[in-house]
Amino acid sequence: GAVVSQHPSRVICKSGTSVKIECRSLDFQATTMFWYRQFPKQSLMLMATSNEGSKATYEQGVEKDKFLINHASLTLSTLTVTSAHPEDSSFYICSARASGDTGELFFGEGSRLTVL
Amino acid sequence: GQNIDQPTEMTATEGAIVQINCTYQTSGFNGLFWYQQHAGEAPTFLSYNVLDGLEEKGRFSSFLSRSKGYSYLLLKELQMKDSASYLCAVMDSNYQLIWGAGTKLIIKP
Repeated sequence: GAVVSQHPSRVICKSGTSVKIECRSLDFQATTMFWYRQFPKQSLMLMATSNEGSKATYEQGVEKDKFLINHASLTLSTLTVTSAHPEDSSFYICSARASGDTGELFFGEGSRLTVL
Repeated sequence: GQNIDQPTEMTATEGAIVQINCTYQTSGFNGLFWYQQHAGEAPTFLSYNVLDGLEEKGRFSSFLSRSKGYSYLLLKELQMKDSASYLCAVMDSNYQLIWGAGTKLIIKP
């Protein structure tokens, strides 16, 4: 099956710093990538939809300036958590859908962010 | 509003069969997905149903009734490694996935 790679898998940072998480589709072109946040024992919460070459579409309540998303190519989307605070600590997961495909999503491995 | 309901937690015995139900109310329907998620890991795809009926894939089967807004995931010959959360998700008319909160399945020897 298709492979989506997410990096880093774990990151610990100090409060006030910025952290970048990368999501790559390794063997297919992904025109659309999705970024989720998951709190313990809760379901995935969609943060934003990232389309290659255009601005991301953010879900209600998600701060655009706080969570910067860039989808510069058909195989790479990045999420930057700016000026991170302890409440931003969470499990962040990306997923990708192949071009023209309205079906299965392929998920990255997830990134656990801990802000001290 | 849009809503996906599934039990919070279920317990079953190794070697047995378990059925995890999911009911949904969404704006349109473009398919229902089941994902397995082990603690601390990303979800992995199990099944996709868009037509009514039963889809069988090895030890796992998934059933859909669109008229009832209902699906279930059936796991047979349970193994300890099947202990995980099982997420039900529906793709709505805008091709957005609406996620259930997940069912934590505990397998006992």
